[in-house]
Amino acid sequence: GQQLNQSPQSMFIQEGEDVSMNCTSSSIFNTWLWYKQDPGEGPVLLIALYKAGELTSNGRLTAQFGITRKDSFLNISASIPSDVGIYFCAGGNAGGTSYGKLTFGQGTILTVHP
Amino acid sequence: SQTIHQWPATLVQPVGSPLSLECTVEGTSNPNLYWYRQAAGRGLQLLFYSVGIGQISSEVPQNLSASRPQDRQFILSSKKLLLSDSGFYLCAWSVLGTTNEKLFFGSGTQLSVL
Repeated sequence: GQQLNQSPQSMFIQEGEDVSMNCTSSSIFNTWLWYKQDPGEGPVLLIALYKAGELTSNGRLTAQFGITRKDSFLNISASIPSDVGIYFCAGGNAGGTSYGKLTFGQGTILTVHP
Repeated sequence: SQTIHQWPATLVQPVGSPLSLECTVEGTSNPNLYWYRQAAGRGLQLLFYSVGIGQISSEVPQNLSASRPQDRQFILSSKKLLLSDSGFYLCAWSVLGTTNEKLFFGSGTQLSVL
């Protein structure tokens, strides 16, 4: 089955620093989604990507859909303490019979020191 | 706007007892519905998905079952819980039949089987 390799597994940064994380897949996806999860809560959708090469921003967050359709990255600029949490990538092949079933990465735990 | 409700937030159950977790979606019709399990704050595993009333697909063999008695209601059940059923359970929904598909999660249920 499809597998996602998300890296790094964890990051410890100072407030104000930029953050970069990525996901790579063994197979092609037509959808990449990035989520943030706070402790004890469900993941919240940050950015959705649907086209190879697409670059999309949401405030201080920027994500790109790799041109090979096997990878995606998420950047966070000028980190703040509330950016702390677990970030997940998810790949999918929406449409047809896939019904939007997603494959999730193992997550990147982000810690921001004030 | 669409909202998803999941309850209870926390549940402690003895081994061998039954389970019923409920999820409802408001503000949309005919959604895809999903149950995910998350172990130890990492990695989400798809357990069940449903594209319509009474239509359930299981992704992994397990001690759990799912039912969809109404369009916007999804229930996760077990007749006899095992220790290994402990985990964080997440309900999610997406819009059926779109290629720009997005998955939205509920707030989760932390289940501890003792």
